[in-house]
Amino acid sequence: NAGVTQTPKFRILKIGQSMTLQCAQDMNHNYMYWYRQDPGMGLKLIYYSVGAGITDKGEVPNGYNVSRSTTEDFPLRLELAAPSQTSVYFCASSPSSRLAGTDTQYFGPGTRLTVL
Amino acid sequence: GENVEQHPSTLSVQEGDSAVIKCTYSDSASNYFPWYKQELGKRPQLIIDIRSNVGEKKDQRIAVTLNKTAKHFSLHITETQPEDSAVYFCAASKTGANNLFFGTGTRLTVIP
Repeated sequence: NAGVTQTPKFRILKIGQSMTLQCAQDMNHNYMYWYRQDPGMGLKLIYYSVGAGITDKGEVPNGYNVSRSTTEDFPLRLELAAPSQTSVYFCASSPSSRLAGTDTQYFGPGTRLTVL
Repeated sequence: GENVEQHPSTLSVQEGDSAVIKCTYSDSASNYFPWYKQELGKRPQLIIDIRSNVGEKKDQRIAVTLNKTAKHFSLHITETQPEDSAVYFCAASKTGANNLFFGTGTRLTVIP
């Protein structure tokens, strides 16, 4: 299994540009997440999804959009990039059963985004 | 929402010594507490976790303790090695929620 994969690894955007960060997992996990990590800080949740067709906002959703058309893919869209969105973005996934206590989240390698 | 505080922000220890990192949380309903290790430029990786029905958990040189009454939990690394050098994050969540609330991290340096 490749686990959680993300593309691209690095990207530089100009203010106002748009882009999509790709995330895929091959572990058949229902739960997927997008976090951002600012320098010297912990991770903050942007959006999450509990299954195909279901998404919801996290702590810091403004300026982002997501979709979940398949179990495997969970892309993050930035519509009008701003310097405040300069960060490292991590996608994560976890197994579906909270009743089984399977809360462990597995992270992708990250995308380093700079907005100038 | 949940607020997780982590201390210290940086920690230097001699190789072979022990390291302790402490976190506090605010939401008494939180019941899952993982610890992640993040090496420079890499993804966070789970090293150990604990649930609220357990007071302590060990895995070789790593242990985590939980005090539900005081709402704090700690990571203990014994016999530290240079490869333990990394940033460590604690986190908290609760059943029914989908957020992991992270602390701000501790940069651990093990001096050979």
